[in-house]
Amino acid sequence: KNEVEQSPQNLTAQEGEFITINCSYSVGISALHWLQQHPGGGIVSLFMLSSGKKKHGRLIATINIQEKHSSLHITASHPRDSAVYICAVHLKTSYDKVIFGPGTSLSVIP
Amino acid sequence: DVKVTQSSRYLVKRTGEKVFLECVQDMDHENMFWYRQDPGLGLRLIYFSYDVKMKEKGDIPEGYSVSREKKERFSLILESASTNQTSMYLCASSPGTGITGELFFGEGSRLTVL
Repeated sequence: KNEVEQSPQNLTAQEGEFITINCSYSVGISALHWLQQHPGGGIVSLFMLSSGKKKHGRLIATINIQEKHSSLHITASHPRDSAVYICAVHLKTSYDKVIFGPGTSLSVIP
Repeated sequence: DVKVTQSSRYLVKRTGEKVFLECVQDMDHENMFWYRQDPGLGLRLIYFSYDVKMKEKGDIPEGYSVSREKKERFSLILESASTNQTSMYLCASSPGTGITGELFFGEGSRLTVL
């Protein structure tokens, strides 16, 4: 069983739809990251959170530490949101060890 | 803005060649990382460094070495490239050990070994 899992693996949505991507993990963490990778591009950090909820524009990230679960929501989705979204967790170790989820590939159709 | 710059976006090398991938960050970060990304396998850590001249093996260090002579620069070296090292290589940096900081990635270097 992978230490960080994401669902769904692939997602196709119509423009304007509300999107949710889920991440669950099985290890103790100090923080969780949501990352975005456009096709052929580098990876951009969207959020880093250790509790509660963060919002940036149309993106909202939540985390429940007790349930070891996080969600990334995209409101009013747009074709430019099409990308791979990666959940990554920072382990509670002596160095910055990060475990990455497999990613969720999102395609938003006009 | 933090910037992590990788020297080459695309490289094509032949089996047995020595390959250098360079990464430079401009935010005085202590931690630097090299990952490779392959379809279906996600991001896997090759090596990381938490200080100048310090390095630690990641999950898949075989066939790779690294060099960190200056704080801002972290190099990945393939001593003798092989076809199974064809991949996307991503460099990242973050603030120092003990500080759970945001990760900053370079644009990636896509290496093809023929």
